Amino acid sequence: AQSVTQLDSQVPVFEEAPVELRCNYSSSVSVYLFWYVQYPNQGLQLLLKYLSGSTLVKGINGFEAEFNKSQTSFHLRKPSVHISDTAEYFCAVSERDSSYKLIFGSGTRLLVRP
Amino acid sequence: EAQVTQNPRYLITVTGKKLTVTCSQNMNHEYMSWYRQDPGLGLRQIYYSMNVEVTDKGDVPEGYKVSRKEKRNFPLILESPSPNQTSLYFCASSFRLAGVHLLNNEQFFGPGTRLTVL
Repeated sequence: AQSVTQLDSQVPVFEEAPVELRCNYSSSVSVYLFWYVQYPNQGLQLLLKYLSGSTLVKGINGFEAEFNKSQTSFHLRKPSVHISDTAEYFCAVSERDSSYKLIFGSGTRLLVRP
Repeated sequence: EAQVTQNPRYLITVTGKKLTVTCSQNMNHEYMSWYRQDPGLGLRQIYYSMNVEVTDKGDVPEGYKVSRKEKRNFPLILESPSPNQTSLYFCASSFRLAGVHLLNNEQFFGPGTRLTVL
């Protein structure tokens, strides 16, 4: 069965510093991978997705993620964060050939300090 | 404005009192889904619907019912709520294009419904 692990429940970082949010998944088949962001008191918004092709995926708000098949990882990165990036970030996976559902990780709260 | 709406946004109720959380989308999406979000667990899918009159269980369907009589609406029904259903609930929708994997199409999420069952 597929699963998603986000090891860091909270990541504090200073404004303008780089950040990496880690995501590892397990699946016996090919997958699609996603990162969603949830701002306070709002629903989820898609940041970026990997479906196929280039393993480096660029998303909105300056975020990018790299798919590493051998390490089964899909870490999210941003070279310089802003206060407005403070939010909860969810990694999600879906198996390509089976169901249409997303399996979410437990989330990482990014806290950007001035 | 394209959106997914949920009502109510906040609800406090008591054990056993039937309730319905409504979800409506104005984007003509075929696919709709309900999730619950609990601390440390992320989002887990409750039920989903591929189209009108087509629904299926997600990972945590126990204690919930859904219906899809119209394309735009996908209500979540708790016939006899219990305290373990206290959670934050999200509805989501997306297009389902023939020949394209569903998740190639972005899922749009509603603002959430915070439910407390005493």
